Amino acid sequence: AQSVSQHNHHVILSEAASLELGCNYSYGGTVNLFWYVQYPGQHLQLLLKYFSGDPLVKGIKGFEAEFIKSKFSFNLRKPSVQWSDTAEYFCAVIAQMDSSYKLIFGSGTRLLVRP
Amino acid sequence: DVKVTQSSRYLVKRTGEKVFLECVQDMDHENMFWYRQDPGLGLRLIYFSYDVKMKEKGDIPEGYSVSREKKERFSLILESASTNQTSMYLCASSDSLLKNIQYFGAGTRLSVL
Repeated sequence: AQSVSQHNHHVILSEAASLELGCNYSYGGTVNLFWYVQYPGQHLQLLLKYFSGDPLVKGIKGFEAEFIKSKFSFNLRKPSVQWSDTAEYFCAVIAQMDSSYKLIFGSGTRLLVRP
Repeated sequence: DVKVTQSSRYLVKRTGEKVFLECVQDMDHENMFWYRQDPGLGLRLIYFSYDVKMKEKGDIPEGYSVSREKKERFSLILESASTNQTSMYLCASSDSLLKNIQYFGAGTRLSVL
């Protein structure tokens, strides 16, 4: 069955530290990939997406992610985090299920950035 | 901006009660979804609907049903609430199952006592 793995459940960083959150998926076909973010008390919202083309995609607030097909990975990065990046981050993959498509979410990573 | 509105932010119900969670979207999206969000488990799909009166089971449909009588409204029904259904429930909509950029509501935190 298709699955999405986020290996870090909790990450604690100091401001200005670099961030990399891992995401691996198990689907072997063509994929569409997403990172969503949920700031405290707010809606879940799209951070960035990859459909095709340049495997390095840029999202809002200085985040980027790199799709490495050979590693089935779509890791999220930010060179220098801020306190306001404290949130829960979810990786998601679209997988084809029979004649339809389903969005599969990872279990999430809680990021705490210390001022 | 797309707006997905869930009727209640917090609900407290008793075991055995029938519970209705309502969701309305204002962007004429074809697809609507219900998830539950639990710590360490991420988002798990309960049901989704790709058209009016159409529904598909997700990963955890047991104990739930849904209704989509109008395009903008998607209801989640707990026929007989149980304590293990205490959770955060998220509604989402999208205009494409393939590209599937989902827009989420604020969530309903349901406690079943």
